[in-house]
Amino acid sequence: QKEVEQNSGPLSVPEGAIASLNCTYSDRGSQSFFWYRQYSGKSPELIMSIYSNGDKEDGRFTAQLNKASQYVSLLIRDSQPSDSATYLCAVRRGVGAQKLVFGQGTRLTINP
Amino acid sequence: GAVVSQHPSWVICKSGTSVKIECRSLDFQATTMFWYRQFPKQSLMLMATSNEGSKATYEQGVEKDKFLINHASLTLSTLTVTSAHPEDSSFYICSALGSTNYEQYFGPGTRLTVT
Repeated sequence: QKEVEQNSGPLSVPEGAIASLNCTYSDRGSQSFFWYRQYSGKSPELIMSIYSNGDKEDGRFTAQLNKASQYVSLLIRDSQPSDSATYLCAVRRGVGAQKLVFGQGTRLTINP
Repeated sequence: GAVVSQHPSWVICKSGTSVKIECRSLDFQATTMFWYRQFPKQSLMLMATSNEGSKATYEQGVEKDKFLINHASLTLSTLTVTSAHPEDSSFYICSALGSTNYEQYFGPGTRLTVT
């Protein structure tokens, strides 16, 4: 079992709809969770971080964390073609840990 | 805020030569930086963790004598690919831990092609 798992996709969503990206992790001691967006040929860009159970909203993005289920998700509302990218879920294990463990990424395509 | 730069953005070198890549945190001090490699259509692979003033910690399978990392100041880490070979051709990306030490910010990456 991979430490951080994501569906590799591709996930196709029509423009204006909600895109839902999911991620599960295996280490119950994980403390911090991040979503990065990576356009083809570019480096990852941090779009959301979440540390406690529940929802965190930032503009069109909402991150959801459920530590009991070891599950973190990212919702993108009013999806735009510019949201088409690979979305990477990353997890930092415990307090004092520095490294991030990345999932394989989900490729999202928004269809006009 | 939290801007990380890399130089060069791309480089082509001949097999057997060495290449140095610089990673700078522009508007914050980064005691910890990371170096990743990414092959086409694959995920990020962490190569090493670089802490200012101390030796880098390499991930399993990464040759420390081939990939030399120096983190001499709070804003600069360098990766030197020594005796490069075509199989070292890849996208090398650095990142730095932000001042809160919670968030990791990536540089724009360096595309290395070894001929």
